[in-house]
Amino acid sequence: AQSVTQPDARVTVSEGASLQLRCKYSYSGTPYLFWYVQYPRQGLQLLLKYYSGDPVVQGVNGFEAEFSKSNSSFHLRKASVHWSDSAVYFCVLSDTGNYKYVFGAGTRLKVIA
Amino acid sequence: EAAVTQSPRNKVTVTGGNVTLSCRQTNSHNYMYWYRQDTGHGLRLIHYSYGAGNLQIGDVPDGYKATRTTQEDFFLLLELASPSQTSLYFCASSERQNYAEQFFGPGTRLTVL
Repeated sequence: AQSVTQPDARVTVSEGASLQLRCKYSYSGTPYLFWYVQYPRQGLQLLLKYYSGDPVVQGVNGFEAEFSKSNSSFHLRKASVHWSDSAVYFCVLSDTGNYKYVFGAGTRLKVIA
Repeated sequence: EAAVTQSPRNKVTVTGGNVTLSCRQTNSHNYMYWYRQDTGHGLRLIHYSYGAGNLQIGDVPDGYKATRTTQEDFFLLLELASPSQTSLYFCASSERQNYAEQFFGPGTRLTVL
């Protein structure tokens, strides 16, 4: 069955430091993959998405993600975080067979001064 | 830009109570979704629809009914609310399945006493 695992429930980084949020997926076919961000008291917003082509995809606000079929991963990265990046980040897989979206449990990012 | 609104934003009811959560999207999207968000689980799909009058069962449908009255409006009904349904509920819409971005509403926080 399809699934998404975000192994880190919480991540704390210093402002200006680099960031990687991990995502592992399980899916038999070709996955559609997304990263969404949820700021406090708001709905989710799309950061980036991937289906095919260049395994490194660029998103908004300096975020990028790298797809690896061999590792079944889709990790999110940012070169230099800002305090405003503090939020919850969700990795999402689109199940093309059932037309549903499967969410990871989310990673809560805290950026400290 | 797609707009998804939800009402009410906050709701408190008692066990056994009757609750209706409303969602409206104004971007003429075909697909609409109801999710619940609980700590440690990410977002879990309750019901979804791909058009007026259509309803599809999600992953956690027990205790919930839904109805899509128009392309714009999607309702979630809890006819005998239980404390286990205390959660943050999100509505989302998308133009199509698979690779399409989902647009989320701001959420409804429901407390069942």
